[in-house]
Amino acid sequence: DSGVTQTPKHLITATGQRVTLRCSPRSGDLSVYWYQQSLDQGLQFLIHYYNGEERAKGNILERFSAQQFPDLHSELNLSSLELGDSALYFCASSVDPTGRGYEQYFGPGTRLTVT
Amino acid sequence: GQQVMQIPQYQHVQEGEDFTTYCNSSTTLSNIQWYKQRPGGHPVFLIQLVKSGEVKKQKRLTFQFGEAKKNSSLHITATQTTDVGTYFCAGKVDYGGSQGNLIFGKGTKLSVKP
Repeated sequence: DSGVTQTPKHLITATGQRVTLRCSPRSGDLSVYWYQQSLDQGLQFLIHYYNGEERAKGNILERFSAQQFPDLHSELNLSSLELGDSALYFCASSVDPTGRGYEQYFGPGTRLTVT
Repeated sequence: GQQVMQIPQYQHVQEGEDFTTYCNSSTTLSNIQWYKQRPGGHPVFLIQLVKSGEVKKQKRLTFQFGEAKKNSSLHITATQTTDVGTYFCAGKVDYGGSQGNLIFGKGTKLSVKP
């Protein structure tokens, strides 16, 4: 158990819909990262938040947005869903404010299926 | 964009054989991390290498960071069935002080036949 929690574990929705994925970091970690993992693909970095502020953006679509709240939990919002958005979405946390040099602790992931 | 290439994509070995996965970047990395993801699980941090030419060992696992800090390898001696999973390298590009995100390779999926 990494200490990072993600809800829900599974999500099935239809194209065009909007969903929200939730992540709670490990106690004491101020950084939260979101990744997308498609079948047979690596981990695509989406976005990094540190203590409520966006720190870095990766290959995140305009239809996707995220935020980190004062209690440090984070939400990833996916809208106008397409079939290709079906993937495993991981949240990770670390103590690192820069995203450069500390290990990341991954949550169990949310498996999103768009039908 | 910046990429971290990892080979091979798949590796099937007999239990007891050795296994190596390689990670390459076109640009200098400030550090490199290795993660293992068991089937159905989430990535778990294994190790971080920072110094040029650094070598670290964890029991049967040996990690190396190249002299130019552009490549890395993970070698497992005498594989066991518990080694099954996907091994990812993840590197941070050295922007000279500015921030950068972790770039993951696509991983090497290891299967071990008992």
